[in-house]
Amino acid sequence: EPEVTQTPSHQVTQMGQEVILRCVPISNHLYFYWYRQILGQKVEFLVSFYNNEISEKSEIFDDQFSVERPDGSNFTLKIRSTKLEDSAMYFCASGGHSYEQYFGPGTRLTVT
Amino acid sequence: DAKTTQPPSMDCAEGRAANLPCNHSTISGNEYVYWYRQIHSQGPQYIIHGLKNNETNEMASLIITEDRKSSTLILPHATLRDTAVYYCIVRAYQGGSEKLVFGKGTKLTVNP
Repeated sequence: EPEVTQTPSHQVTQMGQEVILRCVPISNHLYFYWYRQILGQKVEFLVSFYNNEISEKSEIFDDQFSVERPDGSNFTLKIRSTKLEDSAMYFCASGGHSYEQYFGPGTRLTVT
Repeated sequence: DAKTTQPPSMDCAEGRAANLPCNHSTISGNEYVYWYRQIHSQGPQYIIHGLKNNETNEMASLIITEDRKSSTLILPHATLRDTAVYYCIVRAYQGGSEKLVFGKGTKLTVNP
């Protein structure tokens, strides 16, 4: 069964450093998303991406964040200058013409 | 904010049916009811969705009241592996790009 994959599973970085979180969505899907979950809190929407552009973004997704689909298979989330409060689980999701979104296993980002 | 209300926690005996309620009294005519679950810190997993008819798949059944103001997710024979946080989400279909808005969900504990 096709699934969304994410790398790395755990990323530790120092405050102020750039990180890139990578996702490989399900191959025939058209819609791509990033969500995050701070420990003990709700899953929060960050951004959706369709047809090579951002469809919607939340207030969390400020100028420090960017997304890219560089090669037609990968979908990346970049945080330019990480802050302590960026520490969270980051989930990538993808969806096709059906109504559901499929989530990856997540990347745990720890900013020290 | 989430448009749904769920009990914070429920218990169920292994092998018995788990019935998880959800109130969505402000649901609009074009909004679907989705159920996802999250096992520990894994990515949310799609379970089922519906508009107004009852739905069943290999994982669960979804019963939506005639006025669409509430629904119940039924896991017919709960196992220990069904212990998770279950999220009821109301989502409009807008070509597939609409985000999911997660609430706090119901923590279901299946007991041996």
